[in-house]
Amino acid sequence: QVQLVESGGGVVQPGRSLRLSCAASGFPFSSHGMHWVRQAPGKGLEWVAVIWYDGSNKYYADSVKGRFTISRDNSKNILYLQMNSLRAEDMAVYYCSRWGDNKKMDVWGQGTTVTVSS
Amino acid sequence: DVVMTQTPLSSSVTLGQPASISCRSSQDLVHSDGSTYLSWLQQRPGQPPRLLIYKISDRFSGVPDRFSGSGAGRDFTLKISRVEAEDVGVYYCVQTTQFPHTFGQGTKLEIK
Repeated sequence: QVQLVESGGGVVQPGRSLRLSCAASGFPFSSHGMHWVRQAPGKGLEWVAVIWYDGSNKYYADSVKGRFTISRDNSKNILYLQMNSLRAEDMAVYYCSRWGDNKKMDVWGQGTTVTVSS
Repeated sequence: DVVMTQTPLSSSVTLGQPASISCRSSQDLVHSDGSTYLSWLQQRPGQPPRLLIYKISDRFSGVPDRFSGSGAGRDFTLKISRVEAEDVGVYYCVQTTQFPHTFGQGTKLEIK
């Protein structure tokens, strides 16, 4: 079945880096753009970044621009989020989501938790 | 950036009764292709978000027909015709017409 599985979360000190992964299965990964969306503890959803199906275009939220990089490996069906210079406000559950037709976010992973703490 | 404003932020509804959530955008959400990309998501407690409605009123696969979406331009509504216990959670509107995509604050639905 169609599935997204995030990994790579953990506890990291402020200023350090972390790379998240999202493994896709059950659908043609290389045909779909992909998003990262995050949710701080007890808060709402915040869109983080998007990458086109072939990696040709990327957009970021202002809150992460210049610190986070979205990428993908279509040969491995994996989406990545490289997070540098992490801040306390980056602490959240990070979800990957498929960019379906009609611009809908139609498939979501279970999320991976990032804790930023000294 | 487009600001999405939901009302109410919380709602307590009796089982079997209808519920309605409103979402207003700070800008018109009509895309250059003529479509309006406004979706509704449901997030049950401890679960990831789940797509309910896209393009204002199209119900996603597997979503019960008691969920419906309506609206145009800047004003949108999600309606649940008869609330069931499994509908408890937080509901978000999200615009995917332009980047950055933006979400409403969320509306918490509980059973009275």
